[in-house]
Amino acid sequence: EAEVAQSPRYKITEKSQAVAFWCDPISGHATLYWYRQILGQGPELLVQFQDESVVDDSQLPKDRFSAERLKGVDSTLKIQPAELGDSAMYLCASSGGQHSNQPQHFGDGTRLSIL
Amino acid sequence: AQKVTQAQTEISVVEKEDVTLDCVYETRDTTYYLFWYKQPPSGELVFLIRRNSFDEQNEISGRYSWNFQKSTSSFNFTITASQVVDSAVYFCALSEADGGTSYGKLTFGQGTILTVHP
Repeated sequence: EAEVAQSPRYKITEKSQAVAFWCDPISGHATLYWYRQILGQGPELLVQFQDESVVDDSQLPKDRFSAERLKGVDSTLKIQPAELGDSAMYLCASSGGQHSNQPQHFGDGTRLSIL
Repeated sequence: AQKVTQAQTEISVVEKEDVTLDCVYETRDTTYYLFWYKQPPSGELVFLIRRNSFDEQNEISGRYSWNFQKSTSSFNFTITASQVVDSAVYFCALSEADGGTSYGKLTFGQGTILTVHP
Protein backbone atom coordinates (compact mmCIF):
# COMPACT_ATOMS: atom_id res chain seq x y z
CA GLU A 1 0.00 0.00 0.00
CA ALA A 2 1.28 3.46 -0.92
CA GLU A 3 2.57 5.76 1.83
CA VAL A 4 0.77 8.66 0.20
CA ALA A 5 -2.91 8.18 0.93
CA GLN A 6 -5.56 9.10 -1.61
CA SER A 7 -9.32 8.73 -1.58
CA PRO A 8 -11.54 7.66 -3.12
CA ARG A 9 -9.86 4.99 -5.26
CA TYR A 10 -12.65 5.15 -7.81
CA LYS A 11 -15.25 7.79 -8.59
CA ILE A 12 -18.04 7.61 -11.12
CA THR A 13 -20.16 10.67 -11.60
CA GLU A 14 -22.22 12.40 -14.23
CA LYS A 15 -21.07 15.42 -16.15
CA SER A 16 -21.90 18.78 -14.62
CA GLN A 17 -21.58 17.32 -11.12
CA ALA A 18 -18.96 18.33 -8.58
CA VAL A 19 -16.23 15.92 -7.57
CA ALA A 20 -13.47 16.11 -4.97
CA PHE A 21 -10.31 14.13 -4.32
CA TRP A 22 -8.30 13.99 -1.13
CA CYS A 23 -4.60 13.39 -0.55
CA ASP A 24 -2.55 12.90 2.60
CA PRO A 25 1.19 13.04 1.86
CA ILE A 26 4.02 11.31 3.65
CA SER A 27 4.47 12.83 7.08
CA GLY A 28 6.88 15.73 6.98
CA HIS A 29 6.83 16.17 3.22
CA ALA A 30 6.47 19.85 2.46
CA THR A 31 5.97 19.56 -1.29
CA LEU A 32 2.78 18.12 -2.71
CA TYR A 33 1.85 17.56 -6.35
CA TRP A 34 -1.36 16.73 -8.18
CA TYR A 35 -1.00 15.04 -11.56
CA ARG A 36 -3.57 13.97 -14.13
CA GLN A 37 -2.92 10.83 -16.15
CA ILE A 38 -5.06 10.20 -19.21
CA LEU A 39 -5.25 6.57 -20.26
CA GLY A 40 -2.22 5.59 -22.32
CA GLN A 41 -0.22 8.68 -21.43
CA GLY A 42 2.23 9.81 -18.79
CA PRO A 43 1.13 11.93 -15.82
CA GLU A 44 0.98 15.69 -16.30
CA LEU A 45 1.34 18.18 -13.47
CA LEU A 46 -1.78 20.11 -12.51
CA VAL A 47 -0.63 21.92 -9.38
CA GLN A 48 2.33 22.00 -7.00
CA PHE A 49 2.28 23.14 -3.37
CA GLN A 50 5.13 24.11 -1.12
CA ASP A 51 3.61 23.89 2.36
CA GLU A 52 0.28 25.71 2.00
CA SER A 53 1.35 27.87 -0.96
CA VAL A 54 0.76 27.15 -4.62
CA VAL A 55 4.07 27.37 -6.50
CA ASP A 56 2.81 26.19 -9.90
CA ASP A 57 -0.74 25.94 -11.18
CA SER A 58 -0.04 26.95 -14.76
CA GLN A 59 -1.63 23.76 -16.14
CA LEU A 60 -4.67 23.77 -13.87
CA PRO A 61 -7.92 24.61 -15.74
CA LYS A 62 -8.93 27.24 -13.25
CA ASP A 63 -12.41 27.77 -14.61
CA ARG A 64 -13.42 24.40 -13.22
CA PHE A 65 -10.55 23.04 -11.10
CA SER A 66 -9.45 24.22 -7.68
CA ALA A 67 -6.92 22.90 -5.21
CA GLU A 68 -6.13 23.74 -1.64
CA ARG A 69 -3.77 22.71 1.12
CA LEU A 70 -4.97 24.89 3.95
CA LYS A 71 -2.72 23.70 6.77
CA GLY A 72 0.17 22.58 4.62
CA VAL A 73 -0.54 18.91 5.21
CA ASP A 74 -3.37 17.19 3.35
CA SER A 75 -4.84 18.54 0.16
CA THR A 76 -8.10 18.55 -1.80
CA LEU A 77 -8.55 18.81 -5.56
CA LYS A 78 -12.01 19.76 -6.80
CA ILE A 79 -13.68 19.79 -10.19
CA GLN A 80 -16.91 21.70 -10.73
CA PRO A 81 -18.59 21.12 -13.10
CA ALA A 82 -17.08 17.87 -14.34
CA GLU A 83 -16.84 17.30 -18.09
CA LEU A 84 -16.49 14.10 -20.08
CA GLY A 85 -12.87 14.94 -20.88
CA ASP A 86 -11.99 14.92 -17.18
CA SER A 87 -12.12 11.14 -17.09
CA ALA A 88 -8.60 10.14 -16.04
CA MET A 89 -6.45 8.97 -13.14
CA TYR A 90 -5.65 11.70 -10.64
CA LEU A 91 -2.39 11.09 -8.82
CA CYS A 92 -1.04 12.80 -5.75
CA ALA A 93 2.67 12.81 -4.94
CA SER A 94 4.85 14.25 -2.22
CA SER A 95 8.53 14.87 -1.72
CA GLY A 96 10.76 16.00 1.08
CA GLY A 97 11.59 19.25 -0.67
CA GLN A 98 10.97 21.15 -3.88
CA HIS A 99 14.44 20.51 -5.21
CA SER A 100 14.49 18.74 -8.52
CA ASN A 101 16.59 15.86 -7.24
CA GLN A 102 14.05 14.75 -4.66
CA PRO A 103 12.15 11.65 -5.76
CA GLN A 104 8.41 12.03 -5.65
CA HIS A 105 6.40 9.36 -3.90
CA PHE A 106 2.99 8.66 -5.37
CA GLY A 107 -0.32 7.49 -4.03
CA ASP A 108 -2.51 4.83 -5.62
CA GLY A 109 -4.52 7.49 -7.43
CA THR A 110 -8.21 8.16 -7.94
CA ARG A 111 -9.68 6.82 -11.15
CA LEU A 112 -12.41 9.20 -12.29
CA SER A 113 -15.07 8.25 -14.83
CA ILE A 114 -17.51 10.88 -16.08
CA LEU A 115 -20.74 9.56 -17.60
CA ALA B 1 10.94 23.19 -23.06
CA GLN B 2 11.75 19.78 -21.72
CA LYS B 3 10.54 16.60 -23.38
CA VAL B 4 10.84 12.88 -22.77
CA THR B 5 10.28 10.31 -25.49
CA GLN B 6 9.73 6.61 -24.96
CA ALA B 7 9.44 5.29 -28.49
CA GLN B 8 8.44 1.77 -27.48
CA THR B 9 4.72 1.74 -26.74
CA GLU B 10 4.55 -1.96 -25.89
CA ILE B 11 7.09 -4.73 -25.41
CA SER B 12 6.28 -8.39 -24.96
CA VAL B 13 8.87 -10.93 -23.81
CA VAL B 14 9.00 -14.40 -22.40
CA GLU B 15 10.18 -14.94 -18.86
CA LYS B 16 13.99 -14.99 -18.40
CA GLU B 17 14.60 -12.86 -21.47
CA ASP B 18 16.51 -9.60 -21.08
CA VAL B 19 14.65 -6.46 -22.11
CA THR B 20 15.74 -2.85 -22.60
CA LEU B 21 13.39 0.11 -22.36
CA ASP B 22 14.52 3.20 -24.23
CA CYS B 23 14.28 6.79 -23.06
CA VAL B 24 15.42 9.91 -24.91
CA TYR B 25 15.12 13.36 -23.41
CA GLU B 26 15.42 17.00 -24.42
CA THR B 27 16.39 19.85 -22.15
CA ARG B 28 18.25 23.15 -22.34
CA ASP B 29 19.55 22.88 -18.80
CA THR B 30 23.02 21.66 -17.95
CA THR B 31 21.81 20.41 -14.58
CA TYR B 32 18.86 18.08 -14.54
CA TYR B 33 17.65 14.83 -13.06
CA LEU B 34 16.33 11.70 -14.68
CA PHE B 35 14.02 9.16 -13.10
CA TRP B 36 12.42 5.83 -13.84
CA TYR B 37 9.09 4.83 -12.34
CA LYS B 38 7.14 1.58 -12.50
CA GLN B 39 3.33 1.60 -12.59
CA PRO B 40 1.75 -1.79 -11.86
CA PRO B 41 -1.97 -2.38 -12.52
CA SER B 42 -2.78 -1.06 -9.04
CA GLY B 43 -1.95 2.43 -10.33
CA GLU B 44 0.72 3.59 -7.90
CA LEU B 45 3.89 4.96 -9.46
CA VAL B 46 6.87 3.28 -7.81
CA PHE B 47 10.18 5.14 -7.81
CA LEU B 48 13.04 3.04 -9.20
CA ILE B 49 16.04 5.31 -9.74
CA ARG B 50 17.27 8.89 -9.91
CA ARG B 51 20.30 10.04 -11.87
CA ASN B 52 21.72 13.56 -12.07
CA SER B 53 23.20 15.00 -15.22
CA PHE B 54 26.74 15.06 -13.84
CA ASP B 55 26.86 11.39 -13.01
CA GLU B 56 27.18 9.24 -16.10
CA GLN B 57 28.12 6.10 -14.26
CA ASN B 58 25.90 3.22 -15.09
CA GLU B 59 24.07 1.68 -12.19
CA ILE B 60 23.05 -1.86 -11.38
CA SER B 61 20.53 -2.90 -8.77
CA GLY B 62 19.82 -6.60 -8.77
CA ARG B 63 18.27 -7.48 -12.12
CA TYR B 64 17.88 -3.79 -13.03
CA SER B 65 20.52 -1.67 -14.73
CA TRP B 66 20.55 1.80 -16.19
CA ASN B 67 22.67 3.23 -18.98
CA PHE B 68 22.95 7.03 -19.01
CA GLN B 69 24.58 8.55 -22.08
CA LYS B 70 24.64 12.31 -22.12
CA SER B 71 26.08 12.42 -25.65
CA THR B 72 22.91 10.85 -27.04
CA SER B 73 20.53 12.23 -24.38
CA SER B 74 19.46 8.74 -23.48
CA PHE B 75 18.71 7.00 -20.20
CA ASN B 76 17.89 3.38 -20.97
CA PHE B 77 16.67 0.77 -18.54
CA THR B 78 17.48 -2.95 -18.78
CA ILE B 79 15.83 -5.78 -16.92
CA THR B 80 17.89 -8.96 -16.91
CA ALA B 81 16.19 -12.32 -16.70
CA SER B 82 12.71 -10.80 -16.73
CA GLN B 83 9.96 -12.19 -14.50
CA VAL B 84 6.18 -12.10 -14.74
CA VAL B 85 6.12 -9.66 -11.79
CA ASP B 86 8.01 -7.16 -13.94
CA SER B 87 4.89 -6.70 -16.06
CA ALA B 88 3.88 -3.06 -15.69
CA VAL B 89 4.03 0.31 -17.39
CA TYR B 90 7.43 1.96 -17.04
CA PHE B 91 7.88 5.72 -17.19
CA CYS B 92 10.99 7.76 -17.74
CA ALA B 93 10.84 11.30 -16.34
CA LEU B 94 12.93 14.48 -16.32
CA SER B 95 13.23 17.28 -13.80
CA GLU B 96 15.13 20.44 -14.54
CA ALA B 97 17.19 22.03 -11.78
CA ASP B 98 16.28 25.52 -12.88
CA GLY B 99 12.60 25.05 -13.58
CA GLY B 100 11.55 28.51 -12.51
CA THR B 101 8.31 28.21 -10.63
CA SER B 102 8.10 24.53 -11.55
CA TYR B 103 10.99 23.53 -9.33
CA GLY B 104 10.81 19.78 -9.00
CA LYS B 105 8.18 19.35 -11.70
CA LEU B 106 8.47 16.01 -13.47
CA THR B 107 7.97 15.71 -17.20
CA PHE B 108 7.05 12.13 -18.05
CA GLY B 109 7.36 10.13 -21.23
CA GLN B 110 4.36 8.30 -22.65
CA GLY B 111 5.33 5.08 -20.94
CA THR B 112 6.23 1.60 -22.17
CA ILE B 113 3.89 -1.29 -21.42
CA LEU B 114 5.98 -4.33 -20.59
CA THR B 115 4.35 -7.75 -20.61
CA VAL B 116 6.36 -10.73 -19.45
CA HIS B 117 4.80 -14.07 -20.37
CA PRO B 118 5.48 -17.22 -18.36
